[in-house]
Amino acid sequence: EVQLMESGGGLEQPGGSLRLSCVASGFTFTTYNMSWVRQAPGKGLEWVSYTSLSSSTVYYADSVRGRFTVSRDKAKNSLYLQMNSLRVEDTAVYYCARVGVVGEFDSWGQGTLVTVSS
Amino acid sequence: EIVMTQSPATLSVSPGERATLSCRASQSISSNLAWYQQKPGQAPRLVIYGASTRATDIPARFSGSGSVTEFTLTITSLQSEDFAVYYCQQYYNWPLYTFGQGTKLEFK
Repeated sequence: EVQLMESGGGLEQPGGSLRLSCVASGFTFTTYNMSWVRQAPGKGLEWVSYTSLSSSTVYYADSVRGRFTVSRDKAKNSLYLQMNSLRVEDTAVYYCARVGVVGEFDSWGQGTLVTVSS
Repeated sequence: EIVMTQSPATLSVSPGERATLSCRASQSISSNLAWYQQKPGQAPRLVIYGASTRATDIPARFSGSGSVTEFTLTITSLQSEDFAVYYCQQYYNWPLYTFGQGTKLEFK
């Protein structure tokens, strides 16, 4: 069974940093591209970041480019999102998602809540 | 950026009836469209990809259609577990994905 488990969320002040983790199991992690998607309270889904199999190709939404960094560790079957210079508008549930064969997000984690507030 | 627009924002339907949800892309995305279902407090779940292919374990009462810029998700004979928010997503401009704003399917 495919499982994605996020962690690392919490309360942080504006300007602070957090590092989210997503541990993958039930599939060969190194053969899938991965993404992060977030959802602000009561709002819709927003794609945040993408990383290719080997992290050789990464992309970011305009709203986080220059502040967030995505990475992955094949030895730990893990995906990460380093979030710096946090803003109040970064408050959201952050999901990691597996990118399927044609580009769809075929599996999702349960999400981790990030709250940015003073 | 490809903008995805869903309609209606809220759809009220009775159990056993048919629901039709729409999604429009601001430019051609061929058939590079997915639909997701999200229930309160849960992660999204893939329902349809490739505009019309059901994902694993999705019941046959769910069907997707459309191409280019106009897409539809149809749910026949609605069950109680189908009431949720549905999002469309384009991956034509992969990996710069965009989602629609969602349609809430509620009990009438």
